[in-house]
Amino acid sequence: DTEVTQTPKHLVMGMTNKKSLKCEQHMGHRAMYWYKQKAKKPPELMFVYSYEKLSINESVPSRFSPECPNSSLLNLHLHALQPEDSALYLCASSQREIGGISGNTIYFGEGSWLTVV
Amino acid sequence: QKEVEQDPGPLSVPEGAIVSLNCTYSNSAFQYFMWYRQYSRKGPELLMYTYSSGNKEDGRFTAQVDKSSKYISLFIRDSQPSDSATYLCAMNGGNEKLTFGTGTRLTIIP
Repeated sequence: DTEVTQTPKHLVMGMTNKKSLKCEQHMGHRAMYWYKQKAKKPPELMFVYSYEKLSINESVPSRFSPECPNSSLLNLHLHALQPEDSALYLCASSQREIGGISGNTIYFGEGSWLTVV
Repeated sequence: QKEVEQDPGPLSVPEGAIVSLNCTYSNSAFQYFMWYRQYSRKGPELLMYTYSSGNKEDGRFTAQVDKSSKYISLFIRDSQPSDSATYLCAMNGGNEKLTFGTGTRLTIIP
C-alpha cells in the first residue's frame, strides 16, 4: 500500500464551489508534489513544495491554490473550476536528495478523482 | 521530438510469456530511471528504480538502462494476469522534475 494518503477519493463539484484536496505522507520526505492526470495520458506536474516552500509552479491557473501547512501535509484548494479540470489529481512525495545515488525517487498516492459539473 | 518516447501499445501477450517494455530518451542529463505500474483508476506504483547504466532485478522484473543508446527496458518474466496495467517509464536528472513516457497499456491473456 502507498504511504501517501489522499482524501477524498472522489469529488464532484460545481463551477462555483470551493473545495480542497488533501494529502499526507509519513515517510519523512521533504518534497511534495501535485500532479494532474487525464485519461490515457501520463501525469503532468502542477506544483512542487520543497522544505515546505513552493519551488515549482508549472504555470497553473490561479483557480488552483496549493498549500503546505507542514512537512507531512499538502493541500490543493479549488475554486471556480471548469469542466475541463476534471481529472485524477495525484499527490506525491520524495526524499529530495539532490545528486547522490538515491536520486529523487517519487512515490505517488492513489489520487483524487475530480469531476467538475 | 518528445524528451521521452514510449510505445503506447496496447500490447497483449499470453500468460507466462516474457514481456519487454521500452523507452527512448533524448536528454543526456537524465541519470535516474524509474518504471511505474498503474492499474485502472489508481495512482502510479513505483516498480523499479535504476541509477545510471546497468541492470537491476527484483523478482520477475528486470530493468535495464543503456545510457550510451539512451534506451531503457523493463522485462517481466512469467507474466501473470495481475500484471495487466499501464506501465510508465519516468526519468530525471536528480532534481524534482520527473519526465514521463506516454505509458504502455499491457494485457496478459489467461
